[in-house]
Amino acid sequence: KQEVTQIPAALSVPEGENLVLNCSFTDSAIYNLQWFRQDPGKGLTSLLLIQSSQREQTSGRLNASLDKSSGRSTLYIAASQPGDSATYLCAVRLSGANSKLTFGKGITLSVRP
Amino acid sequence: DAGITQSPRHKVTETGTPVTLRCHQTENHRYMYWYRQDPGHGLRLIHYSYGVKDTDKGEVSDGYSVSRSKTEDFLLTLESATSSQTSVYFCAISEGSGGYNEQFFGPGTRLTVL
Repeated sequence: KQEVTQIPAALSVPEGENLVLNCSFTDSAIYNLQWFRQDPGKGLTSLLLIQSSQREQTSGRLNASLDKSSGRSTLYIAASQPGDSATYLCAVRLSGANSKLTFGKGITLSVRP
Repeated sequence: DAGITQSPRHKVTETGTPVTLRCHQTENHRYMYWYRQDPGHGLRLIHYSYGVKDTDKGEVSDGYSVSRSKTEDFLLTLESATSSQTSVYFCAISEGSGGYNEQFFGPGTRLTVL
């Protein structure tokens, strides 16, 4: 069974810092990995989808990397801002028909002004 | 915005009553999902659908049923609500025909069972 771990559960940083959020998974036979953002009381917003054949995906100040062999993905946030404060979740989809996403429990990020 | 709406957005009900949550999408995506989100457990899949009248169970399906009679609507029913079903429920869709692609989520329904 695929397990997805995100450590630490919470992180507080000063504004302007570059930061890395980590995601690890136990089964490397993944099809893709998706990073989400969730603001308090809201739904999940998709940030980046990275396919198993890719090493990186970028969107604005966000960069996601994937290392299947080591079972890791990182989400890099450049020049963090208070508006980046939210919970960030990663989710992994295994290969195979009708495979589903397995979610980590998320990292709650607080960016201090 | 993937055109996903959920109704109701908030509901308070009593133990033992039936509850139906609705998910509506506007873009004819084949795959639709129901999740619940609870502190300490994260997001867990309840049921999913891969077409009209085609549904399957997720990891926490006990006590829930689903129906999909039209492409755009996916209903989640709690036949007899229990306090353990107090949660935030999210609907999601997956783009493309194979269910492998990016997932997009609705705004959620907060359900309280007293």
